Amino acid sequence: QKEVEQDPGPLSVPEGAIVSLNCTYSNSAFQYFMWYRQYSRKGPELLMYTYSSGNKEDGRFTAQVDKSSKYISLFIRDSQPSDSATYLCAMSWIQGAQKLVFGQGTRLTINP
Amino acid sequence: NAGVMQNPRHLVRRRGQEARLRCSPMKGHSHVYWYRQLPEEGLKFMVYLQKENIIDESGMPKERFSAEFPKEGPSILRIQQVVRGDSAAYFCASGGGSYEQYFGPGTRLTVT
Repeated sequence: QKEVEQDPGPLSVPEGAIVSLNCTYSNSAFQYFMWYRQYSRKGPELLMYTYSSGNKEDGRFTAQVDKSSKYISLFIRDSQPSDSATYLCAMSWIQGAQKLVFGQGTRLTINP
Repeated sequence: NAGVMQNPRHLVRRRGQEARLRCSPMKGHSHVYWYRQLPEEGLKFMVYLQKENIIDESGMPKERFSAEFPKEGPSILRIQQVVRGDSAAYFCASGGGSYEQYFGPGTRLTVT
């Protein structure tokens, strides 16, 4: 079993839709949860981070962490074609070498 | 404010040759991480370095791969005697010691 599971998609939605992206994980020691966006043939870009459980909002993006269920989500409101990319969840421990454990990534396409 | 720089962006090597990938972290960052991304897969941690020290190499293959981050100059990921299975995108990230990691554009290695 992978430490972090993420549906690779592809996911295709119309412009303006609300997008929900999710990851599950097995290691209860994870404390930091991040979402990265990666455009084709580019490096990942840090979008959102959350420490422990709870919600965090930044513009059209909302990140949620439910540690009891070992489940994290990223919501994108009013999706735009420029949001088309691969979204990767990543996790890390509160102690240790701070390496990140990534999900496989979900490829998202927003259709105009 | 320059971001993480990696070079070369594309590298073609024949089987058995050596590949050297370079990474210059963001200004003020002293922590460097290397990740590998195989086609259709998420990023896999390889090694975490600080200046002149390897902190965590738990993701590095035991043979042919090595990394360094000298006191002066960029971090180097070195792959000796490359094989076709080494073909991948190699990403470097830098950080200031917290959970946040900022990624470079990657080096795409093709082994022929």
